Amino acid sequence: DAGVIQSPRHEVTEMGQEVTLRCKPISGHNSLFWYRQTMMRGLELLIYFNNNVPIDDSGMPEDRFSAKMPNASFSTLKIQPSEPRDSAVYFCASSLTSGAQETQYFGPGTRLLVL
Amino acid sequence: LAKTTQPISMDSYEGQEVNITCSHNNIATNDYITWYQQFPSQGPRFIIQGYKTKVTNEVASLFIPADRKSSTLSLPRVSLSDTAVYYCLVGDTVLFGNRDDKIIFGKGTRLHILP
Repeated sequence: DAGVIQSPRHEVTEMGQEVTLRCKPISGHNSLFWYRQTMMRGLELLIYFNNNVPIDDSGMPEDRFSAKMPNASFSTLKIQPSEPRDSAVYFCASSLTSGAQETQYFGPGTRLLVL
Repeated sequence: LAKTTQPISMDSYEGQEVNITCSHNNIATNDYITWYQQFPSQGPRFIIQGYKTKVTNEVASLFIPADRKSSTLSLPRVSLSDTAVYYCLVGDTVLFGNRDDKIIFGKGTRLHILP
């Protein structure tokens, strides 16, 4: 398996623009997680899905952020409108289930810079 | 999710054994203890997981005292390639529900191996 795939790997955009990050989880994994990493706050969980259903989105910073998982092999994280403070590395991870004993497999991340 | 405390950074030399301790005073009965490793420009990857006593795999050992209020990740004979950030996580599931603390990985411990 190719592991968790994220695109794009890098994104530079201007404030106010819409940004869409994409993720393909490992085949057969039922849980998908979106994280944001910054120097200030470390690695934060934004939202996670179980069987394509959003379970907890309380980590999403505000209404500008939205995430979808239309099927088991694809998820998107959208920021509209983007702001400079959204600059961070965004990781997608997947696991067999949402149990803490399950290993989370992370993608390579998308480095976002909002000017 | 039990709150964890670990050192912000550590330095060591090649060939030495490195021990990173994580405190989790309010760990619950069903909580597992999991450690992840993150190299620069990569997503975190699973290292080891345990519930009590000692766990060992090809990469590291995890020591958990009887009260489980702390745990120690032990890396034997480190090399320069072990320079990374190490995260300690404690929980029974990754279900955050109505939890106030959304940050589960935090900032980790930056381990710097010197030649």
